[in-house]
Amino acid sequence: AQSVSQHNHHVILSEAASLELGCNYSYGGTVNLFWYVQYPGQHLQLLLKYFSGDPLVKGIKGFEAEFIKSKFSFNLRKPSVQWSDTAEYFCAASRYSSASKIIFGSGTRLSIRP
Amino acid sequence: DAGITQSPRHKVTETGTPVTLRCHQTENHRYMYWYRQDPGHGLRLIHYSYGVKDTDKGEVSDGYSVSRSKTEDFLLTLESATSSQTSVYFCAISGRDEKYEQYFGPGTRLTVT
Repeated sequence: AQSVSQHNHHVILSEAASLELGCNYSYGGTVNLFWYVQYPGQHLQLLLKYFSGDPLVKGIKGFEAEFIKSKFSFNLRKPSVQWSDTAEYFCAASRYSSASKIIFGSGTRLSIRP
Repeated sequence: DAGITQSPRHKVTETGTPVTLRCHQTENHRYMYWYRQDPGHGLRLIHYSYGVKDTDKGEVSDGYSVSRSKTEDFLLTLESATSSQTSVYFCAISGRDEKYEQYFGPGTRLTVT
């Protein structure tokens, strides 16, 4: 079955620390990959997306993610986090040809200590 | 932000009553989706629409129905609300190409007592 796994449920970091959130997907064939962020009390917003091409994708607010096909992974990174990055982060995947089946991971809550 | 509104934003209802949530978009996007968000489960797709009067089931469709009579409106109905349907419901839209990202509405917090 298709699935997206986020193994870190809650990550706590200090400001300026580096961040890496794990995401693994289980899909056959070509996939689209996304990272969304949800700030407290708000709706989901797209951070970045991968459809094809360069496997290192840069998004908004200094975030980037690397698609490693051999590992079925799409980890999110940021070299130096800020307190304002406190949020929940969702990895998501869809089959290249299907709009209907975006599967979301269960989310990783990120808490940044000032 | 994409032009997506949801109404109501908050609702408390009793078990057994029908409830309808509305999603309205001003982007003229083809695809519309309803998700529920629960702790530990992320977002789960309830139903989606790929055009006017064209809808299909998602992962957790039992107890829910949808309708789309106009491009801009997508309604989610809980036929007989149960406490397990207490959740935050998000509507999303996506554009002309199936692989485009989804844009989310502000959400509706529904409590079934």
